[in-house]
Amino acid sequence: DTAVSQTPKYLVTQMGNDKSIKCEQNLGHDTMYWYKQDSKKFLKIMFSYNNKELIINETVPNRFSPKSPDKAHLNLHINSLELGDSAVYFCASSSGLAGGVGTDTQYFGPGTRLTVL
Amino acid sequence: AQSVTQLGSHVSVSEGALVLLRCNYSSSVPPYLFWYVQYPNQGLQLLLKYTSAATLVKGINGFEAEFKKSETSFHLTKPSAHMSDAAEYFCVVSDGGDYKLSFGAGTTVTVRA
Repeated sequence: DTAVSQTPKYLVTQMGNDKSIKCEQNLGHDTMYWYKQDSKKFLKIMFSYNNKELIINETVPNRFSPKSPDKAHLNLHINSLELGDSAVYFCASSSGLAGGVGTDTQYFGPGTRLTVL
Repeated sequence: AQSVTQLGSHVSVSEGALVLLRCNYSSSVPPYLFWYVQYPNQGLQLLLKYTSAATLVKGINGFEAEFKKSETSFHLTKPSAHMSDAAEYFCVVSDGGDYKLSFGAGTTVTVRA
């Protein structure tokens, strides 16, 4: 069984569209994250939720809105897509037991490659 | 605020040779340090992490890293490279607690037969 899964794996869309990426983890973890990896492979955290509560909210355009319906799921909705949103988006999770997001091992999903045309 | 610098964006080694990936960090408090690996078209997975216990940390797949406070370094090594080690490697630092992870720019490792 996949520990952290994301759908879809690939997403190709036109500028201006709205799209969502879904993430699910079956590890029983309390904390989930969204990361963006740009074309140079630089990784930056976007959001983090702990037990459905937002705990990290980086400087990300308002067009990006995370939603956590329960602690096993963290979805990312993107409005009015722009060319610069093209990237690979990774979901991750951690147990939240080791002392905080700064100390936990994070488990990453396989990524969603978003291409905006 | 913490940050991390990976020296060398690309390292090429022969199969069986030593792999050495360099990482220097800055942190205002004792840091937590990690190495993550990303195989082609996959998510990241943890190789090893330093959390203020032993300064020499052993990880998966024969990798190890040594925390050197005086040099603010956390270099990753493997004595003998294998073709399967070809991947992107990220050095990561955190101030611990509820502080987010800061990723280095990554080092691409290629292994020559």
